[in-house]
Amino acid sequence: QVTLKESGPGMLQPSKTLSLTCSFSGFSLSTSGMVVSWIRQPSGKSLEWLAAIDWDGDKYYNPSLKSRLTVSKDTSNTQVFLKITSVDIADTATYYCARRRSRPPGFDYWGQGVMVTVSS
Amino acid sequence: DVVLTQTPPTLLATIGQSVSISCRSSQSLLHSNGNTYLNWLLQRTGQSPQPLIYLVSKLESGVPNRFSGSGSGTDFTLKISGVEAEDLGVYYCMQFTHYPWTFGGGTKLELK
Repeated sequence: QVTLKESGPGMLQPSKTLSLTCSFSGFSLSTSGMVVSWIRQPSGKSLEWLAAIDWDGDKYYNPSLKSRLTVSKDTSNTQVFLKITSVDIADTATYYCARRRSRPPGFDYWGQGVMVTVSS
Repeated sequence: DVVLTQTPPTLLATIGQSVSISCRSSQSLLHSNGNTYLNWLLQRTGQSPQPLIYLVSKLESGVPNRFSGSGSGTDFTLKISGVEAEDLGVYYCMQFTHYPWTFGGGTKLELK
């Protein structure tokens, strides 16, 4: 059974660095073609893709945020991390991680999301 | 960036009614490998998005066959043939043919 679960600080102050963890089970990120992505959603708004990391360790970023994002994974291929530097109020959102499989290609599993509030 | 425009933003339906949602892309979603990476997702209130359709028209496992997807290039449609109460929520189209991957603005399906 595939599951993903996000964790994070809940609340942090502007200008700080946000660190998020996606812990997953039921699959390995070392499987060829597998990708884990980060996506966020401000309350009442649509979804925004942030970053992804694939089975080979290649990383992909949304250019609009690239200078502030770092995605990585652990050596056991069961966790993916996202760091966002210099957060501000506009980064307040629910953050999701999602699995993208390659054959057939699709985003088939999403985490429950973690709400992050940036406030002084 | 690829802009996905969904219409209508809100859809009022009765149970059993058939409805369609449009997703138009600012550029072709046909990849050089021949695939069109256009997905449809449903987000029920208070829940994370769940996948419905991948590659324009293929149903994810467990998705009822009252859902269907069609289209090509820049114009895509999600159809629900006979809305059920569990179908209410916000529908999103999403593309991952081009970076950055992008989502439509959403279509909220409500009961009339």
